[in-house]
This record gives sequence, structure tokens and C-alpha cells, in this order.
Amino acid sequence: NAGVTQTPKFQVLKTGQSMTLQCAQDMNHEYMSWYRQDPGMGLRLIHYSVGAGITDQGEVPNGYNVSRSTTEDFPLRLLSAAPSQTSVYFCASSSRNYGYTFGSGTRLTVV
Amino acid sequence: AQSVSQHNHHVILSEAASLELGCNYSYGGTVNLFWYVQYPGQHLQLLLKYFSGDPLVKGIKGFEAEFIKSKFSFNLRKPSVQWSDTAEYFCAVTSTSGTYKYIFGTGTRLKVLA
Repeated sequence: NAGVTQTPKFQVLKTGQSMTLQCAQDMNHEYMSWYRQDPGMGLRLIHYSVGAGITDQGEVPNGYNVSRSTTEDFPLRLLSAAPSQTSVYFCASSSRNYGYTFGSGTRLTVV
Repeated sequence: AQSVSQHNHHVILSEAASLELGCNYSYGGTVNLFWYVQYPGQHLQLLLKYFSGDPLVKGIKGFEAEFIKSKFSFNLRKPSVQWSDTAEYFCAVTSTSGTYKYIFGTGTRLKVLA
């Protein structure tokens, strides 16, 4: 089992560029989420999904879009990168009666 | 508003010392509670979880946590820490119904001195 796979692991963007962070899980989990982790701020929820075709906003959704066309995939799109989006991004998935399984993270730097 | 508070941001202990990390939550309705650990440079891993039943739950690596409903608390404990427990620890809460949205605390960074 691969679990939760995130790509890329590292990325440097220029201000104003757009990109997509990929996330895929092979556990048939219905719940998937994107978090960003910043020093001293813990994990903050960006967007989440409770199933294919259903997404909702978390605490810090501005500047990010998501879609969930399949159970397996939950990509995160940065529309126009800003330095404030420099962070480590984690994707996670879960079934209803278990905790989240996290991906290994994407370290994003916006210059 | 839904929130999770972890009172200790940094904790330094010597090996064999006992550990207790505090976690309080504000979340309407019935909740599920979790502790996650993040070792340096790694992603979060589930340490233990509480869904229902016995409020004292045991997790991996000798950790345990006690759910006290009246105090909205879910404190993490370990009787004797090891150098390898050096990590950041996160408490998280979610509702048992509805959207199953997780809220995390800001984390407690534990350093164990050999």
C-alpha cells in the first residue's frame, strides 16, 4: 500500500505563478483534506472533501482551489502564488472510524 | 468557535522523566479526539485516538491519554520518556457526525535530553 502520495516534495515558485499540488490515496478513503503547516501555528485546514464531487472550505481557503473528481485524487491549486503561501503542505485522508493518514508533505517556497 | 488549545509550546525533559501534555478543546456536540506525533523532518503519524468507551486510551510507544468530558480535556501522558520521543505533538478533534472536519492544536515541541 502506498498510502497517501504527494507530489512534488519541493517546489519554488515566483510570485504570481500558478501550480497544482497533487495528492492521491489508494485506501478508498472518503475523507481528504489539505493542511498547511507554519512554525508556531500548527496545522491549518485549507480545504476538505467528504467524498467525490463534494468539497468545502477550511480555515484558510483564500488563494487555493480544490476539486475531487475521483475518490483517489484531491489536487490543490494555487491560483497566483504569493510569498505568504510559503509553507509546508500536507494532504491527508481518512475513513470514518479512523484517524488521518498523512502524506509526506510538499515544501513550497514563493519568491 | 471550534478550537483546540495546547498549553505547553515547548517542553524539555530528561530521559526517564514523566510526561504530560495538555489539550483542551471547544467543539459542539460529541467528539472524537486524537494525538499525532511528528518526528523531525517527517509527516504526522497517529499516536492514539478516542472515539467512545473507556476514557483512558493507550497508544503506540507507551503513550496514553485520558478524556475528561467535564473538563473538555484530552491530556497525553507517558510514564518514562526516551530520547527518541523528541518530536512535536499535536492534539486534534473532530465531530462524530456531520462533515468530519479536523481541528488541530498548535503543537507542543518536546525535547528529551539524553
